[in-house]
Amino acid sequence: DTAVSQTPKYLVTQMGNDKSIKCEQNLGHDTMYWYKQDSKKFLKIMFSYNNKELIINETVPNRFSPKSPDKAHLNLHINSLELGDSAVYFCASSPTRDSYYGYTFGSGTRLTVV
Amino acid sequence: KQEVTQIPAALSVPEGENLVLNCSFTDSAIYNLQWFRQDPGKGLTSLLLIQSSQREQTSGRLNASLDKSSGRSTLYIAASQPGDSATYLCAALYDTGGFKTIFGAGTRLFVKA
Repeated sequence: DTAVSQTPKYLVTQMGNDKSIKCEQNLGHDTMYWYKQDSKKFLKIMFSYNNKELIINETVPNRFSPKSPDKAHLNLHINSLELGDSAVYFCASSPTRDSYYGYTFGSGTRLTVV
Repeated sequence: KQEVTQIPAALSVPEGENLVLNCSFTDSAIYNLQWFRQDPGKGLTSLLLIQSSQREQTSGRLNASLDKSSGRSTLYIAASQPGDSATYLCAALYDTGGFKTIFGAGTRLFVKA
């Protein structure tokens, strides 16, 4: 009965590979997000979708492509992985697009590029 | 530019002590402020959410306050326990023509038994 679930939890891959991270929420929330947490622990927004519509697209390399097949799912595909992509990627959701009621986070995907 | 700062970066206290974690934000036009707890290798667990019209929220041993005029929020933890050891993050939501949340870097708390 996990509220926001991400898979995989750990991902180790070589430079140049393409990988995907999946996220699902069963809270009935309208909005989902991808955040990146770097080695200094700062969390930064990457993308946000509201009811399958992209509403936030921060300055992120176009190697990163989000996809939301429905409002309960938000996936992140990364092409041509680089060493600097190593980080923890968090999926989150909120009831409304303005985040007025706050966020619920997944447990994160630790990506290591070697 | 909105910034959120948490000081200290790390804090160690003996069990049973009452403590305060600080969160400062540069822009008072805040929409809401949320406190999270992050355990090592885990996700963020929401602790308290304060709307801009509110002054404080309480949950068990936790009390969070919000003072927009001074650009500060505090998280008060009463009677700390070793299980409270974690990193505590605050996040401020702004409406800048689009809603954007700025996270602090966190305060790493260690409660000694």
